[in-house]
Amino acid sequence: GAVVSQHPSRVICKSGTSVKIECRSLDFQATTMFWYRQFPKQSLMLMATSNEGSKATYEQGVEKDKFLINHASLTLSTLTVTSAHPEDSSFYICSGAQGYNSPLHFGNGTRLTVT
Amino acid sequence: TQLLEQSPQFLSIQEGENLTVYCNSSSVFSSLQWYRQEPGEGPVLLVTVVTGGEVKKLKRLTFQFGDARKDSSLHITAAQPGDTGLYLCAGARGTSYGKLTFGQGTILTVHP
Repeated sequence: GAVVSQHPSRVICKSGTSVKIECRSLDFQATTMFWYRQFPKQSLMLMATSNEGSKATYEQGVEKDKFLINHASLTLSTLTVTSAHPEDSSFYICSGAQGYNSPLHFGNGTRLTVT
Repeated sequence: TQLLEQSPQFLSIQEGENLTVYCNSSSVFSSLQWYRQEPGEGPVLLVTVVTGGEVKKLKRLTFQFGDARKDSSLHITAAQPGDTGLYLCAGARGTSYGKLTFGQGTILTVHP
């Protein structure tokens, strides 16, 4: 089946630094990738939708300049949390779809802790 | 904003019991998906329902999509400790399976 690899699985960083999270589709071309955020024991909240070669579409309330998304190829999308603060600590999950009508495949998530 | 109300939020039962998780909305979804998520991992798709009134079975799990495509339920028969986890319903907007609105999730604990 289709696999989405997300890296790193865990990262601890100091407040004010930036962290990059990678999401790769290993055996399919992900035309569209979605980035979600999940707080402990809560559901997933969609942050943004990225399409290969174009700018990401952010959901209301998500800061574009803080959460930089790049989808430069059909197999790689990155999320950079810039100038991270403790309140950015969360579980970030990406998912990829081969096409607009295609089922989603989720990565295993990245646990970000900002100290 | 299309919201999905999922209930109950927490469910603690004994092995062998049956349970039902509900997902309700005032809006119509083109499709609805159910996921199970283990701690520290991404959600794993269990089923996708598309047609109003559709019923799908996956071993001891039965999924139903409401006739009006506004609600769905997940019923587990004879729950086992291995069923423990976070169950999420998610509705798709328009024709995209990918842009999902998730319910709040149900944390299920099955005690041996």
